[in-house]
Amino acid sequence: KAGVTQTPRYLIKTRGQQVTLSCSPISGHRSVSWYQQTPGQGLQFLFEYFSETQRNKGNFPGRFSGRQFSNSRSEMNVSTLELGDSALYLCASSFSVANTEAFFGQGTRLTVV
Amino acid sequence: DAKTTQPNSMESNEEEPVHLPCNHSTISGTDYIHWYRQLPSQGPEYVIHGLTSNVNNRMASLAIAEDRKSSTLILHRATLRDAAVYYCILRDSTTSGTYKYIFGTGTRLKVLA
Repeated sequence: KAGVTQTPRYLIKTRGQQVTLSCSPISGHRSVSWYQQTPGQGLQFLFEYFSETQRNKGNFPGRFSGRQFSNSRSEMNVSTLELGDSALYLCASSFSVANTEAFFGQGTRLTVV
Repeated sequence: DAKTTQPNSMESNEEEPVHLPCNHSTISGTDYIHWYRQLPSQGPEYVIHGLTSNVNNRMASLAIAEDRKSSTLILHRATLRDAAVYYCILRDSTTSGTYKYIFGTGTRLKVLA
């Protein structure tokens, strides 16, 4: 079956702009979570959506937001981009049952210049 | 903060077994122990998970201490393709199946030919 698909794979933006990243989960998965990965901070949890509702949120400023659609696809948005937002953004999907694992996409590499 | 502690790096010779340790002294009775690995330029990949008993799958084995305060991921015959960063993560099974993974720094495994 198809894996988690993230688009675009690479993105270059300038400071002050906004960006929208997309994640299509594995068919049947209703939970989608987002992570930011940087060399300095490692993998950090951003937020998680389930059935179009945000269930968990990490410690990121309000410039980071997301949403989930009825087909479980998810988008995350970062407004007023800063240089420090340059990172690999990863999306993971799952069945949202306790004894199961999450499947990660290959990520979107965002560079802010 | 990450709830697990892992060595920063380990080395292994090709085709030899590798034991990757993880300490999780604050684990609760409802926490599952999950292992993921991240190959260069890819998203994390699920390896194995368990609750109390040792687990085996086609990729690896997971040995869980009797008091559950530590676990060991065992790769039975390391190959060059196993070179990756390995993450040990606790996942609370009581929170309606949420996937708020808290990643630590992981163990960077180097496999020597």
